[in-house]
Parts: sequence; C-alpha cells; structure tokens
Amino acid sequence: GAVVSQHPSWVICKSGTSVKIECRSLDFQATTMFWYRQFPKQSLMLMATSNEGSKATYEQGVEKDKFLINHASLTLSTLTVTSAHPEDSSFYICSARRTDFNQPQHFGDGTRLSIL
Amino acid sequence: DAKTTQPTSMDCAEGRAANLPCNHSTISGNEYVYWYRQIHSQGPQYIIHGLKNNETNEMASLIITEDRKSSTLILPHATLRDTAVYYCIVVMEYGNKLVFGAGTILRVKS
Repeated sequence: GAVVSQHPSWVICKSGTSVKIECRSLDFQATTMFWYRQFPKQSLMLMATSNEGSKATYEQGVEKDKFLINHASLTLSTLTVTSAHPEDSSFYICSARRTDFNQPQHFGDGTRLSIL
Repeated sequence: DAKTTQPTSMDCAEGRAANLPCNHSTISGNEYVYWYRQIHSQGPQYIIHGLKNNETNEMASLIITEDRKSSTLILPHATLRDTAVYYCIVVMEYGNKLVFGAGTILRVKS
C-alpha cells in the first residue's frame, strides 16, 4: 500500500538551531502534502498545506517565517523549524495524498522534536 | 467540514467486536466519513472511508445510517494491538484538510 516516510524520527537540538524534517511519498506522487503538529495528550493540529511547485498555505496562527515549507518535487516536502525554541518541541507529522481525488491521506510516523 | 462527536473512551474485550460510534448530524451530501487511528507515538493510520453505503475492508467495516447523520466503525475481532485513539472525520469529496477532533480512546483488554 501507500507509504509515507518521514525523517528523522526524532531529533534533539539546542535552542536557536534550525531543524529540517523530510516527508517522502515512497510509491505514489503527491501534489499535496500536509504538516501537522501534536502536543502531548492533544489531537493533531494542521499547520500547513504543502503544494508542489507553489507556496504553502498556512493555517491561522502558524508563522510562515518560523515554519518554512518546501515542496520541490512530487515525492518530497520539507519542513524547517527556524531558530527553534523549547516551545517548538512537539511531535510533527506529515501526510500525503495521491493525486487521484477521493484517495485517503497517508501519514508518516512522525518526528519527535525536542529543543533544549 | 461537518463536525463529529465521538465518545471519549471505550473498552473492549480481546476477541470481541469493537463498535465505535460517531455522530455527524450536520454532514452534507458530498462529504465523506473517514476513520483513522493513532497508536501511541505513531502517525495516524488510515482505516476506511465511505459516503453512503456500508464499506468493508481487511481492517474494519463502516456502517453509515440511511440519513448519514451517524456511523459506526466495527473491528470484528479486536486484539490488544487495536488499542489506539480512533478518529472519525468528515471531509468534502474534493477537500484536502483533515480536521482531527479528540477521537475515541479504545482500550482492548485481555
């Protein structure tokens, strides 16, 4: 079946560092990918929609200069958390959707980000 | 997209069927019902989706009422590995966004 790969699965870094997370669709093309954030004991919150070849669409309250999204190909989207601080520590999850309509989104296994 | 209402938590005995309800009384005609689950510290896993008719796949069955205002996800023979948070989501036919609610915590017990 469809597989979405996310890398790295976890990362620990110092405050002020920028961190890049990759999301790849392994066996299908995805013109649209999504980035979610999940804090402990909470549900997933959509951060942004990543569109191949165009700018990402951010949800209200999500800083686009803080969370840079690049979707350079039909199989890869990246999320860069710039100048990360402890409050950015969270579980970041991506999903991808096949280009066919009415196909479900498939999710990566998430990246646990800890900022010290 | 229509909102959904799910019970906070449910328990199920191992080997028995788990029936997870979902209310979506404001669903519109072109909105689908999707079910995902999230096992601890993993990304959500797609289970099943449907529009009007009941659906079945290797994981589960989805029963949608005739008025489409509610649905039930059925795991026919629950195992301990089915312990997870189950999310019922309603989304437009050509929509992209999945809006996750709190979901139902299903605990399968031996």
